Amino acid sequence: DAGVIQSPRHEVTEMGQEVTLRCKPISGHNSLFWYRQTMMRGLELLIYFNNNVPIDDSGMPEDRFSAKMPNASFSTLKIQPSEPRDSAVYFCASSFDGNTIYFGEGSWLTVV
Amino acid sequence: SQKIEQNSEALNIQEGKTATLTCNYTNYSPAYLQWYRQDPGRGPVFLLLIRENEKEKRKERLKVTFDTTLKQSLFHITASQPADSATYLCALDIYGAGNMLTFGGGTRLMVKP
Repeated sequence: DAGVIQSPRHEVTEMGQEVTLRCKPISGHNSLFWYRQTMMRGLELLIYFNNNVPIDDSGMPEDRFSAKMPNASFSTLKIQPSEPRDSAVYFCASSFDGNTIYFGEGSWLTVV
Repeated sequence: SQKIEQNSEALNIQEGKTATLTCNYTNYSPAYLQWYRQDPGRGPVFLLLIRENEKEKRKERLKVTFDTTLKQSLFHITASQPADSATYLCALDIYGAGNMLTFGGGTRLMVKP
C-alpha cells in the first residue's frame, strides 16, 4: 500500500506568496483530515472531509486558509497570502472506519 | 471544551524497564481513545484503540488502560528497547461523533541502552 501521499515534502516560500499543499488519501478511505503541527500548539485539526464534503472547518485559522476535495483521491490545502506564523508541518490523514487515522509524512512549510 | 493533557516532559528510562505514559482528559469520556507513535520527521502512526467499555487492551509489549472515572488512560511499554524511543500521542474524539480526533501534546520517551 502506498499510504497517504503528500506533496511537496518541503517548501520554503516568501511571505505573501500562495502555498498549495497536496494530498492523495489511501484508496477506499472516505474521510480526509488536514492537521497542522507546531512545537507550541502540537497537532491541530484544521478541517475534516467525509465523502469529499467538508464537515468541520472550525480549526481553519482564518480566511487565508482554504481546503478543497474535488474527488475521493485528491485534496488541497491552500494558504494565500502566506505569513511567517504559518510555518509548520502540515499533515494529511485519511480513514475508512472512522476510528484509525493514517497519516502522510507531512509537508514541511517555512515562510520567510 | 475538552482538553487532553500529556506529560510534556521527556520520560527517560533504562532499557528493559516498563515505560508508563499518562493521558488525562477534562470533560466527558469519549467513546474511545487512541495512542499513536511519532518519530522525528515522520507522521504519527496508529498503535492502539481502546473503547470506553474496555478496561485494558494489549498488543505485543504494549498495554493501554482506560479509566473513565479518573478520566485517564495509561500507556505501558514492557521490556522497553532503545527502538521504542519516540513521541507518543494520545487522541480522542472530543465531539463524540466518532471521527474528529484531537491529539494531546505528546510525551517524548527516551530508552537508554
